[in-house]
Amino acid sequence: ETGVTQTPRHLVMGMTNKKSLKCEQHLGHNAMYWYKQSAKKPLELMFVYSLEERVENNSVPSRFSPECPNSSHLFLHLHTLQPEDSALYLCASSQQGSDTEAFFGQGTRLTVV
Amino acid sequence: ELKVEQNPLFLSMQEGKNYTIYCNYSTTSDRLYWYRQDPGKSLESLFVLLSNGAVKQEGRLMASLDTKARLSTLHITAAVHDLSATYFCAVDASNYQLIWGAGTKLIIKP
Repeated sequence: ETGVTQTPRHLVMGMTNKKSLKCEQHLGHNAMYWYKQSAKKPLELMFVYSLEERVENNSVPSRFSPECPNSSHLFLHLHTLQPEDSALYLCASSQQGSDTEAFFGQGTRLTVV
Repeated sequence: ELKVEQNPLFLSMQEGKNYTIYCNYSTTSDRLYWYRQDPGKSLESLFVLLSNGAVKQEGRLMASLDTKARLSTLHITAAVHDLSATYFCAVDASNYQLIWGAGTKLIIKP
C-alpha cells in the first residue's frame, strides 16, 4: 500500500453513538493532520501531530478526540456529535522540514443523524 | 492573520479556451501549493511553489508565484473537459499551518 489510507470511507452515526475514524500513512512522514471539509467552507484544520505529539488544536469541540499512537497512524474518536458535524473528514501527512507538499487520504464522509 | 483569497470561486468555460485562477494572500510566505479535488474525492497535489518567480507546468496547467505581490496564478491553456474540478491554493503559514483558499470550481463544457 502507498500513500494515505482512511477508513471507513462513509459513516452514518446517531448523535449518541461513539465511532472512530482511522488514518494510516505509508510515506514515512513525521506529521499528520485532520481536516474538516464542509460544503461551501474553506478547509478547516482540526489537529496536527508532529512526531506523535499534538502541536495544534484549533479550538475543536471536545466531542472530537484525536489519537496518534505512532507516526504512521492517526485516529479521530467521535462521540455525541451534532448534525452540523456532518462533513468530509480528511487526513493528511507531510514531512516537516522538507519542501514537499502534504498528501491527503480519500476522506471519510460522515453523516450525523 | 494570514488570509488567502481565490478568484473566481466559480468558472464555467468552453473547451479550448484559456483562463487564469488567482490566489492572493495577505502576509509574507514563500511556500504555496495548488491542489485539485474531484467531486467526492480527496485532494491531489498539483504544484509546489517555493520561491519568488517560481513557475511550474504540467500539461495544460501552469502555476506561478510572485511573493512580492503575494499572488499566485494557475493558468489553464486550451481547457479540456477532464480538467473540470475544484482547485485550491494553500499558503504555508509556518507552525504546521496551511491556510487554504475557498477553492475555484471549474466546469469545462465540451
